[in-house]
Amino acid sequence: DGGITQSPKYLFRKEGQNVTLSCEQNLNHDAMYWYRQDPGQGLRLIYYSQIVNDFQKGDIAEGYSVSREKKESFPLTVTSAQKNPTAFYLCASSMGQRSSYNEQFFGPGTRLTVL
Amino acid sequence: EDQVTQSPEALRLQEGESSSLNCSYTVSGLRGLFWYRQDPGKGPEFLFTLYSAGEEKEKERLKATLTKKESFLHITAPKPEDSATYLCAVQRPQGGSEKLVFGKGMKLTVNP
Repeated sequence: DGGITQSPKYLFRKEGQNVTLSCEQNLNHDAMYWYRQDPGQGLRLIYYSQIVNDFQKGDIAEGYSVSREKKESFPLTVTSAQKNPTAFYLCASSMGQRSSYNEQFFGPGTRLTVL
Repeated sequence: EDQVTQSPEALRLQEGESSSLNCSYTVSGLRGLFWYRQDPGKGPEFLFTLYSAGEEKEKERLKATLTKKESFLHITAPKPEDSATYLCAVQRPQGGSEKLVFGKGMKLTVNP
């Protein structure tokens, strides 16, 4: 089955620690995205990548970093510089600019809690 | 600045009681408007894309429509399993990117 997987489902972080969230897709999509979801707020874009080895900051990139070494993978690192990291993190992918279909498809999410 | 406003924020319906959810937007050069369904603790599930005013799409008890300023998600004879949060998002051309701007969502509860 084609889809997007995220791991782990739940993650606990101590103050001052960096943590990495995994996102893998087997949909052969070019573009991948990371969003953050907080109660009462819409999804906010952290980083996105339209092609391997290239990525751009979204609206709330401070305290986060990403890499895109493979088409299938787009890991997100939450660094200690992120002051309020407790949130639900969602990864998405789409066909990208080579397609007229712009739908983004989401993974199941990772819930990060800072202890 | 692009904005997406969903109303109402929450809606309770009785099973079989039809209603509509509203998504109003301000964006220059709309490239697409998207509806998603999200269950608690899960990722959003894609429902519809609408590209131009006057367009309509249907899926089971859901029907999405689009005007130049807003979109409606009509729910006909809802069932308890339709209970979820419904998200609306818009996309506009921005340097070749495909960034979406999301509304805050609308929580629908359908009571049996």
